[in-house]
Amino acid sequence: DIQMTQSPSSLSASVGDRVTITCQASQDISNYLNWYQQKPGKAPKLLIYNASNLGTGVPSRFSGNGSGTDFTFTVSSLQPEDIATYYCQQYDKVPPLMFTFGPGTKVDIK
Amino acid sequence: QVQLVQSGAEVKRPGASVKVSCRASGYTFINYGIGWVRQAPGQGLEWMGWINTYNTNTNYAQKVQGRVTMTTDTSTSTAYMELRSLRSDDTAVYYCARGLLRVQGSHPYYYYYAMDVWGQGTTVTVSS
Repeated sequence: DIQMTQSPSSLSASVGDRVTITCQASQDISNYLNWYQQKPGKAPKLLIYNASNLGTGVPSRFSGNGSGTDFTFTVSSLQPEDIATYYCQQYDKVPPLMFTFGPGTKVDIK
Repeated sequence: QVQLVQSGAEVKRPGASVKVSCRASGYTFINYGIGWVRQAPGQGLEWMGWINTYNTNTNYAQKVQGRVTMTTDTSTSTAYMELRSLRSDDTAVYYCARGLLRVQGSHPYYYYYAMDVWGQGTTVTVSS
């Protein structure tokens, strides 16, 4: 099975800061990589799909990049409403069509 | 608007079963898959499986294979997830989510690439 790691596990940043999270896959996953945002007590929300495509209605300050095994997720200017845990997730194109989530990165305001 | 509405919280004894429902509205049910994801208290997200709402094909995570059954009722646009032989480590919030599919030229001829709409979550507590 493919394993996903994220770093850092948590971070504190100021409003307006540029924030970057990295995600690494244990093997080449091409661009089969999504990013989700989960606010406390809420369901996850799809932000980025296929490594770099912005989800519907997602603000342009969010972006994703990468392919193969190394990926980055960036918030260009952190806003108070961005306080959340962010998860990367890879998907398989062969049975059992598994989704594997990274352990998450908790972001809060300094 | 597109939404998934899940059934209410459940408290179960170890060894019992739970069945969570997920009612879809605002879109054509059979055009998308339904996936199930759970989150134990203070933990991350764990994918449990998929159901293809068009042909009812299922794919389950190895961890719950043999204890989980995912079904649908297309007449009511509702998906169900039943988990049997509950243990304390099944205590979690269970989410359903709409699965975006893409067709491909080789078996299984489609795959899911994202979960774009989520239910509100159902808390399942397993305790004696």
